[in-house]
Amino acid sequence: QKEVEQNSGPLSVPEGAIASLNCTYSDRGSQSFFWYRQYSGKSPELIMSIYSNGDKEDGRFTAQLNKASQYVSLLIRDSQPSDSATYLCAVNKDPGGTSYGKLTFGQGTILTVHP
Amino acid sequence: EAGVAQSPRYKIIEKRQSVAFWCNPISGHATLYWYQQILGQGPKLLIQFQNNGVVDDSQLPKDRFSAERLKGVDSTLKIQPAKLEDSAVYLCASSLTGGSTDTQYFGPGTRLTVL
Repeated sequence: QKEVEQNSGPLSVPEGAIASLNCTYSDRGSQSFFWYRQYSGKSPELIMSIYSNGDKEDGRFTAQLNKASQYVSLLIRDSQPSDSATYLCAVNKDPGGTSYGKLTFGQGTILTVHP
Repeated sequence: EAGVAQSPRYKIIEKRQSVAFWCNPISGHATLYWYQQILGQGPKLLIQFQNNGVVDDSQLPKDRFSAERLKGVDSTLKIQPAKLEDSAVYLCASSLTGGSTDTQYFGPGTRLTVL
């Protein structure tokens, strides 16, 4: 079982629709959860972070976390062609005994928003 | 504020040759990370520095890869000798403290092709 697993893509949605990206993780000790966006040929950039169960909204983006189910998702409302990218889920677990976390990434989901 | 700087941006070498990558993190960031991203996969952590000390190098192939962060600022990652499977993008990232909720900022990456 992979430590961080994302729904296999690619995901294609029409402009204006809601894009739903899902991620599961295996380590119950995981503390922090991040969504990065990576355009083709570019480096990852952080778009959302979430640490507590529930929803967190930032503009058109909503992150959802359910630690009991070990599940984190990202919803993109009113999807735009500029949202077309690879979305990476990343999980940080406190190794215990230190304050340094280790970030583990999923394989990414390619999202295409077509006009 | 200047971002994470990396050089070179591209490198092509023959197998069994050596190569070195350089990274300059965001000013004041204590934690520096080197990731390897193979095409179609998420970034994989190779090594994590806290100032000039190594926090995690569990996934660094130590028989061929080495890294250092002298004076707790710039860092170099070296591969010697390179193998075909080392073809990937090498990403450097930095964060302020390295804590589990800390945001990691990525540099543009170095694309390595081993022939």
